[in-house]
Amino acid sequence: NAGVTQTPKFQVLKTGQSMTLQCAQDMNHNSMYWYRQDPGMGLRLIYYSASEGTTDKGEVPNGYNVSRLNKREFSLRLESAAPSQTSVYFCASSEGVWRNTEAFFGQGTRLTVV
Amino acid sequence: AQSVTQLDSHVSVSEGTPVLLRCNYSSSYSPSLFWYVQHPNKGLQLLLKYTSAATLVKGINGFEAEFKKSETSFHLTKPSAHMSDAAEYFCVVRAESNFGNEKLTFGTGTRLTIIP
Repeated sequence: NAGVTQTPKFQVLKTGQSMTLQCAQDMNHNSMYWYRQDPGMGLRLIYYSASEGTTDKGEVPNGYNVSRLNKREFSLRLESAAPSQTSVYFCASSEGVWRNTEAFFGQGTRLTVV
Repeated sequence: AQSVTQLDSHVSVSEGTPVLLRCNYSSSYSPSLFWYVQHPNKGLQLLLKYTSAATLVKGINGFEAEFKKSETSFHLTKPSAHMSDAAEYFCVVRAESNFGNEKLTFGTGTRLTIIP
C-alpha cells in the first residue's frame, strides 16, 4: 500500500522559475497538509486542507499556493521560486483535524533554488 | 495557542544503554502528543501517540513515553539502544480548541546518535 506519494523526489530550480509539487494519498483521508523542513526548525506548516474543497494558510504561506484537486490530491505551487524556498517539502494526510488523529507523511521532495 | 520544546538538539548514547529524549509542551487545551522518527533521507514515521487514555504509552521498536500533566512533559525512552535507532526524533502536539481543530505543531527535533 502506497500511503502518501509525492513527486518529484528531487528538483533544482533557477530563481524565478515556477513548479508544482504533487501529492496523492490512497487512505481516503479528509485532511491534507504541506510542510517544509529546514535545519534546526523542525517542520513548519505551509498550507493545509481540512477537507475536500477547503484550504487554509499555515505558518509560512508566503510565496506558495495550493490546490485540493479532489479528495486524493493536494498540490503545492511555487509561482516564482526564491533561494529562501530551498528546503525539503513534505506532504501529509490525516483522517481529520481533530486532536487525536495522527498524520501520515510522504517521503519528501528536496528542492534547491539557485 | 500551543508549542513544544525539545530540550536537546543532539543526544549520543552507547549501544545497549538507555535512551531519553526530552519534550515539554504548552497548550491551552487538552493536548494529544506524538513522537515521530525520521531516518536519514526518509519521511516521518509515527512512533507513538498519547490521546488522554493511559499516561504511559508504548510504541514501536521498544519505545515508550509518559505523559505528565503536572510537568507538561512527554519524554521518550527506550531501555536499550540499538544501532538502528540512530535518527532524528520529533515531538508533536495537537490540542483541541473552541474552533474544533488545531494543527500539528512540531518541535525542532533531537538527533540521536548511537555509539557502537
